[in-house]
Amino acid sequence: KAGVTQTPRYLIKTRGQQVTLSCSPISGHRSVSWYQQTPGQGLQFLFEYFSETQRNKGNFPGRFSGRQFSNSRSEMNVSTLELGDSALYLCASSLASGSYNEQFFGPGTRLTVL
Amino acid sequence: GNSVTQMEGPVTLSEEAFLTINCTYTATGYPSLFWYVQYPGEGLQLLLKATKADDKGSNKGFEATYRKETTSFHLEKGSVQVSDSAVYFCALIQGYQKVTFGTGTKLQVIP
Repeated sequence: KAGVTQTPRYLIKTRGQQVTLSCSPISGHRSVSWYQQTPGQGLQFLFEYFSETQRNKGNFPGRFSGRQFSNSRSEMNVSTLELGDSALYLCASSLASGSYNEQFFGPGTRLTVL
Repeated sequence: GNSVTQMEGPVTLSEEAFLTINCTYTATGYPSLFWYVQYPGEGLQLLLKATKADDKGSNKGFEATYRKETTSFHLEKGSVQVSDSAVYFCALIQGYQKVTFGTGTKLQVIP
């Protein structure tokens, strides 16, 4: 069974640009969550999608947005990039939302903003 | 709100030493508890989990017991190997809320 895949793996952008990251969950998984990981802030929750609906949202500015498609694939978009957006962006999928649904993580997309 | 507190790292141990990484949590009700491991350059992998009080999760020689009376979920391993060097994250999920992660504890095992 294929794991969670994220594309691209590495990305370099400049300030002010926008970026779109993609996540394909494990087949049959309907919930996708996004996290930002930085050395200073650790793992921070961005948002969770379940059946194309945003179920939970973290404390990030509106420049960060996401969506989920009918096949459960998800994208996140960051507009007007700032230097502080440089991070590892992790996607995780689970069968459904809730306490009993463990999350499976992808390898991440390393975003560098210059 | 929910929170997870892990011991500060890095933790440096010699091979075959005993490992304990402390994790305590704050939550109302009965969350599910998890330990994840992140190897260099990779995403997180689920190491073990426990979904109710007194449950013991175990995997690859690692164990953790869900202690509701002390709100703890400490990770232990009897004999660590160099290959266990990684960052370990304690996490909880409650109901349909987002996952709450600890700050991570870096483990370095030296031969």
